[in-house]
Amino acid sequence: DAGITQSPRYKITETGRQVTLMCHQTWSHSYMFWYRQDLGHGLRLIYYSAAADITDKGEVPDGYVVSRSKTENFPLTLESATRSQTSVYFCASLDHSTDTQYFGPGTRLTVL
Amino acid sequence: AQTVTQSQPEMSVQEAETVTLSCTYDTSESNYYLFWYKQPPSRQMILVIRQEAYKQQNATENRFSVNFQKAAKSFSLKISDSQLGDTAMYFCAFSYGGSQGNLIFGKGTKLSVKP
Repeated sequence: DAGITQSPRYKITETGRQVTLMCHQTWSHSYMFWYRQDLGHGLRLIYYSAAADITDKGEVPDGYVVSRSKTENFPLTLESATRSQTSVYFCASLDHSTDTQYFGPGTRLTVL
Repeated sequence: AQTVTQSQPEMSVQEAETVTLSCTYDTSESNYYLFWYKQPPSRQMILVIRQEAYKQQNATENRFSVNFQKAAKSFSLKISDSQLGDTAMYFCAFSYGGSQGNLIFGKGTKLSVKP
C-alpha cells in the first residue's frame, strides 16, 4: 500500500524492556520524523532524519534511539522503557515539493 | 524559539453553522509555512490546509479557509457549513520548510459539532 505505515498500532510493555516502533513510507521522501503526543503538550519532535544514515535530535530525544539504513524505514527504539514514555507515537515524512508532512496512523504505547 | 498558541481548548458549533478556530505564532523569520491538521477519534493526523507565508492570498480548501494575518502573526481556520464529521481535535502547526521542516504544534482545539 502506498503511503506511510506504522507497526505495531498498539503495544504494552514493562518498565526496562526494549521496544522498537517501526515506520515505513513508500514515497521515497528524504525527510522523516518521529513525534510523541501527550495530553496538554500537543505533538513534540523526538528525532528526525534528512536521509539514510543522517539523523538528528528533536525537542525530546532522551531515552530514544533511531536509525535509518534505508530511505523507506525509520525505526524508533526505546532502549529501556519508562512509564513516562507511555504516549502515542507518530511517524511522518516530508513532501519537499510542498514542504508538507504526512503522518502515519500512530502507535499507542503503554509502559507498565 | 518558535511557539504556536491555540487559545481555545474546546469549542462547539451547531451543524451547518460556521466556526473559527484561532492560532497565533511567534517567529522572527519572514519565510515559513503554516498548517492546520485534523485529528478525529481515529487518531489519524490529517492535513486540512496549508499556507505559505510569502503568499498574501488566504488558502482555501472546500469548506475550510484561513485568515492569515502575517503582521499580527495570526492564522485562524474557518469551517463553513459544519458537518458532524468535522468533530475532531484541530492542531495549528508551523514550519520553516526545507532542511528545517520539522513541525511545531500548538496544543490543539477540540471541536464538537452538534446536530
